[in-house]
Amino acid sequence: DAKTTQPPSMDCAEGRAANLPCNHSTISGNEYVYWYRQIHSQGPQYIIHGLKNNETNEMASLIITEDRKSSTLILPHATLRDTAVYYCIVRVGNNYGQNFVFGPGTRLSVLP
Amino acid sequence: KAGVTQTPRYLIKTRGQQVTLSCSPISGHRSVSWYQQTPGQGLQFLFEYFSETQRNKGNFPGRFSGRQFSNSRSEMNVSTLELGDSALYLCASSRDILPYEQYFGPGTRLTVT
Repeated sequence: DAKTTQPPSMDCAEGRAANLPCNHSTISGNEYVYWYRQIHSQGPQYIIHGLKNNETNEMASLIITEDRKSSTLILPHATLRDTAVYYCIVRVGNNYGQNFVFGPGTRLSVLP
Repeated sequence: KAGVTQTPRYLIKTRGQQVTLSCSPISGHRSVSWYQQTPGQGLQFLFEYFSETQRNKGNFPGRFSGRQFSNSRSEMNVSTLELGDSALYLCASSRDILPYEQYFGPGTRLTVT
């Protein structure tokens, strides 16, 4: 699975958009980009995934560059409850013996 | 739809004992994966089960084992506990269709004394 690079920490003001970047320059054509977050001592929470098109759901938007070498997770109106560690993961889109490889992620602090 | 449930939520054991943790996946999910999370090593993959068969295994010693039942529920067992086994153990389930996103349970916090 391709490796990802994320900034170790970011701050965001409450009510503003939080834009979390992720670099995955060695991503393969069949690898999806997944985002998870983990609030302290809880299980990781699935946020969104994408292959090459931009995606949006009730939690966030995922913007993937045209060359697929990087992506950005956007939380449109960050709240204090969005303070968490955010993980960007890439892995192939099949289910044969694949697991998710979590890096250190980005610690997002939403400030009042 | 109910999420992934794990029992027990907290556990204290002593060195040398063994422990069994349980995971019930989301209804309809047939794949169950287990992860260990520690402050030093982060989230590490233990193993994955699908249709009662171990399909993938991480780099952990043989003291860590698991199984899956016909109803997709899964258990993991750690024998001869060591202090370093103190961790949050997470279970995740997924459907067997693209793109296989995993949904995690709340975890079992194991403390070995």
